Amino acid sequence: GENVEQHPSTLSVQEGDSAVIKCTYSDSASNYFPWYKQELGKGPQLIIDIRSNVGEKKDQRIAVTLNKTAKHFSLHITETQPEDSAVYFCAATYSGYALNFGKGTSLLVTP
Amino acid sequence: KAGVTQTPRYLIKTRGQQVTLSCSPISGHRSVSWYQQTPGQGLQFLFEYFSETQRNKGNFPGRFSGRQFSNSRSEMNVSTLELGDSALYLCASSDRTESYGYTFGSGTRLTVV
Repeated sequence: GENVEQHPSTLSVQEGDSAVIKCTYSDSASNYFPWYKQELGKGPQLIIDIRSNVGEKKDQRIAVTLNKTAKHFSLHITETQPEDSAVYFCAATYSGYALNFGKGTSLLVTP
Repeated sequence: KAGVTQTPRYLIKTRGQQVTLSCSPISGHRSVSWYQQTPGQGLQFLFEYFSETQRNKGNFPGRFSGRQFSNSRSEMNVSTLELGDSALYLCASSDRTESYGYTFGSGTRLTVV
């Protein structure tokens, strides 16, 4: 089955800096790659996603890049703010079924 | 529009008991998935239902089961609870027509003692 590895497990940045989280996947059939943000006491919230026919997608301060050949994808957050502090999860799946999640990255943005 | 609603939010059960968790998806969403979240194993897929049919199942023992009703509401059941079943159980719904994106509820925190 699909195996998703996520790095780093923790990340601390200063407000205004950029943050990058990287994931690799094992199943070349995976074609959908969402990113979720989970705050304390809440469920994961979808923040951006990308399909395998696209190499990059951007939404304001958040961008995701996908390299199908190398089987890795990354989340980029620019101009970080304290409210970006949370746990971020990447996931990979074929056609949206059964999301396979990475272990998560705890992001801390310090003022 | 209302989000995904899970009840109860917290639950404490004794080993050997059984438990039923409930999920009301976003109105109009016909796909409902369940995930187990633990510190050690992370987020793991349990099963997915679409129009009352289980379409996908994760690698969990048969003690974990679920169902979906005609109004898309879903329940999951865990029988013969074990200490290791203590976890946050998350439900997610999707319309699966325009987007693959799933919206998660806040979860039910199950503690088995």
